[in-house]
Amino acid sequence: DQQVKQNSPSLSVQEGRISILNCDYTNSMFDYFLWYKKYPAEGPTFLISISSIKDKNEDGRFTVFLNKSAKHLSLHIVPSQPGDSAVYFCAARQAGTALIFGKGTTLSVSS
Amino acid sequence: EPEVTQTPSHQVTQMGQEVILRCVPISNHLYFYWYRQILGQKVEFLVSFYNNEISEKSEIFDDQFSVERPDGSNFTLKIRSTKLEDSAMYFCASSDTPTLNTEAFFGQGTRLTVV
Repeated sequence: DQQVKQNSPSLSVQEGRISILNCDYTNSMFDYFLWYKKYPAEGPTFLISISSIKDKNEDGRFTVFLNKSAKHLSLHIVPSQPGDSAVYFCAARQAGTALIFGKGTTLSVSS
Repeated sequence: EPEVTQTPSHQVTQMGQEVILRCVPISNHLYFYWYRQILGQKVEFLVSFYNNEISEKSEIFDDQFSVERPDGSNFTLKIRSTKLEDSAMYFCASSDTPTLNTEAFFGQGTRLTVV
């Protein structure tokens, strides 16, 4: 039962362009959504989050959009940099419960 | 910057043996988690721990698994009789409260290889 789905296992983008990573969820009780970035041989590191009461949150080059009616969120990275190359995990939770992760999308940014 | 630390970074064990994975969460955090990632698969939730007891666990966390906070700093995951399919990266995480919307901070992981 995949409550959090990242349907694109990989994405390739040129440096300077926009990267858009997508995530869908099925549990309408989720009220907090997060994106984590993971480099090989490291643990996931927190990137950006959004509460269900918002539809957009921006932090520098990173913006997360939430469409509750579609149960969809996306992470935009503008401009993309080679150092952004990593696996990006979408995660979600209901208040007071553990994070549920998607399978991840591997982003490759070429210079 | 405070961080979650995990030891060892890599553990090789024979099938059927007991293994203990250790974690030191961030010192003022109250909510602790174990996750695992089998190679090529998603990060899967195992268990959460709050106020000295398990608050939530997944189907993966069966009787072979246990968690403990033996002192004020360590948080351990024990697998009593390891199976080949337990081979994975195990991540410990902590957060400061389960009731507010905050992120969890992850350790670097322990790679468990069962042979």
